[in-house]
Order: sequence, then C-alpha cells, then structure tokens
Amino acid sequence: QKEVEQDPGPLSVPEGAIVSLNCTYSNSAFQYFMWYRQYSRKGPELLMYTYSSGNKEDGRFTAQVDKSSKYISLFIRDSQPSDSATYLCATEHPLNDYKLSFGAGTTVTVRA
Amino acid sequence: DGGITQSPKYLFRKEGQNVTLSCEQNLNHDAMYWYRQDPGQGLRLIYYSQIVNDFQKGDIAEGYSVSREKKESFPLTVTSAQKNPTAFYLCASSSHPSGRVTYNEQFFGPGTRLTVL
Repeated sequence: QKEVEQDPGPLSVPEGAIVSLNCTYSNSAFQYFMWYRQYSRKGPELLMYTYSSGNKEDGRFTAQVDKSSKYISLFIRDSQPSDSATYLCATEHPLNDYKLSFGAGTTVTVRA
Repeated sequence: DGGITQSPKYLFRKEGQNVTLSCEQNLNHDAMYWYRQDPGQGLRLIYYSQIVNDFQKGDIAEGYSVSREKKESFPLTVTSAQKNPTAFYLCASSSHPSGRVTYNEQFFGPGTRLTVL
C-alpha cells in the first residue's frame, strides 16, 4: 500500500468553478501535510501546508486535514486558467528523517 | 537571486552510458534531495543528504549514485545499471530538520528531463 494515494485525474473545470482535490494517507504518525503546485515542465512549488487536523485558508485556496479519516483536501475557489497545473499532496515522516511521501498528483485544467 | 539550479535541462543518454545531473543551491541549506518523477507516479525519493559528506538511500536508489562534497552541490549519476532511466529528475533542498519549530519547506529546482536513446 502506498503511503499517500491521490487520484491522478485529469480534472477539467470551467473558469470560476470550485476545484476539489483529495488524498488519503496510511500512517497516523504524519503531522505535516503539504500541497505542491507544479506547472508543466517545471519544478513543484509549495502552495500550502497544514499541521495536524483542521483548515487553513490562503486567498482562494483552502487546505483541510481530517486525521480521524486520514483524508487531505485542497479547495480552489473561483478557479482561473492560471490555476491549470498538477497538484501534489505530500506528507512528512516525523520518525524517518522527515522524508516526504508524495501522491501521484492531479492534473487540473481550468477552461476559460 | 537565491535558488536551486539544475543542469542540463534536457539530457540524452545512450544505452550503457553513465550520465551526471548537476544540482546547485545558494540557499545555504543543509539538506538536499533527488527525486524521480514518472507520469502518474508522483515523486519518488532516490537519495538524500542532510549534511556534507553524508548521504542516504531513498526508496529507489538502485542504479544511481551521489556525492556531497560541498554544501551547495549534490550531483546525481545515473549509471548503466539503471534499467529504465527515462524520467524527469528533480533536485530539492531544505533547512536541516533538527531543531525546527515548523515545517521546513523543500525548494525544488526546475528539473532535468533524461531520455535514453
């Protein structure tokens, strides 16, 4: 079983729609949960991170973690064509040199 | 202009050849990482180093080698023993995790796309 599971999509939405991305993880020891955004043929960049359970909001982006169900979510409100990218969820091993485990990434296209 | 640079951007290798991918950072980070990215599989860790002159294997180290002689440099060699080397290779760096109070972001370079001919 992979430590982080993510539906690779692809996902296509019209401009202005809400984008909902999800991941599940297997290790209850994980405490930090990240979302990275990767534009085509570029390196990933950190979008948001959350610690433990709860919500975190940054502009049009909201990250949620539900540790009871081991579920990670990212919501993008009022999506724009510039949001078209691959979104990767990741978790950190606190007991294994803080190594990151990544999901497969979901490719999102926002149609103008 | 701080950041991570990787070179070359595109690399072509013939069967049986070793090739070396460059990664340099000027962020003064102790930790550096090499990942491989294949379609539909996300990022997989090849090697990582948390301090100069020390490195550890990641999840898919077979057929790869690294060195960490300088803090700012972490080159990756893809050897002929790597059976399926065609992929997108990403280097990253972060502050050392010890003594931290929050998440230490991993900063990524622009990547090197390796193709075996």
